[in-house]
Amino acid sequence: DGGITQSPKYLFRKEGQNVTLSCEQNLNHDAMYWYRQDPGQGLRLIYYSQIVNDFQKGDIAEGYSVSREKKESFPLTVTSAQKNPTAFYLCASSPSLSEPQHFGDGTRLSIL
Amino acid sequence: GEDVEQSLFLSVREGDSSVINCTYTDSSSTYLYWYKQEPGAGLQLLTYIFSNMDMKQDQRLTVLLNKKDKHLSLRIADTQTGDSAIYFCAEPGLGGGSYIPTFGRGTSLIVHP
Repeated sequence: DGGITQSPKYLFRKEGQNVTLSCEQNLNHDAMYWYRQDPGQGLRLIYYSQIVNDFQKGDIAEGYSVSREKKESFPLTVTSAQKNPTAFYLCASSPSLSEPQHFGDGTRLSIL
Repeated sequence: GEDVEQSLFLSVREGDSSVINCTYTDSSSTYLYWYKQEPGAGLQLLTYIFSNMDMKQDQRLTVLLNKKDKHLSLRIADTQTGDSAIYFCAEPGLGGGSYIPTFGRGTSLIVHP
């Protein structure tokens, strides 16, 4: 079955450390997205990519970086510049920007 | 202010109907979505309605769209304990020239036995 796979499900980061969250899709979707979810705040867009080798900042891009070297993959790096990284991170994809998104099961990041 | 607004909580008894409401601001949206999120999981697309429709029914789900008031609702008939989840309304408006969906904060539906 096609879908989106996020790994790991749980991740712990030490102070000053960069960590990378994986997102892979086999839906042949062009567009991919990263969201951050905090309790009571809904989803906030970090970065999105409309097509391979292109990505755009979302509403809260500071302290994060992404790459889109392959259509199937859109990894998110949480850098040490992100001072409050503890959150639930969701990756999504869609055939194009204007179509409904399919979501992965998320990665929960915590600070040690 | 928010582009998409929802109440945060709804509590119903098992077997009753649930109605989750949403208001949005971008009248150019071609369609609007409802997503469901179970604990510790991602969002699952539940249903969507095109902006040229007033109502869409899919088994126990009924979506009503009032374009004049920019109001969207999701009705779940015969609500079951398995329907307990967070429900998000979203619109892929043209805000800022982008079709990136804007999500509400989500409504937590709690179903009591």
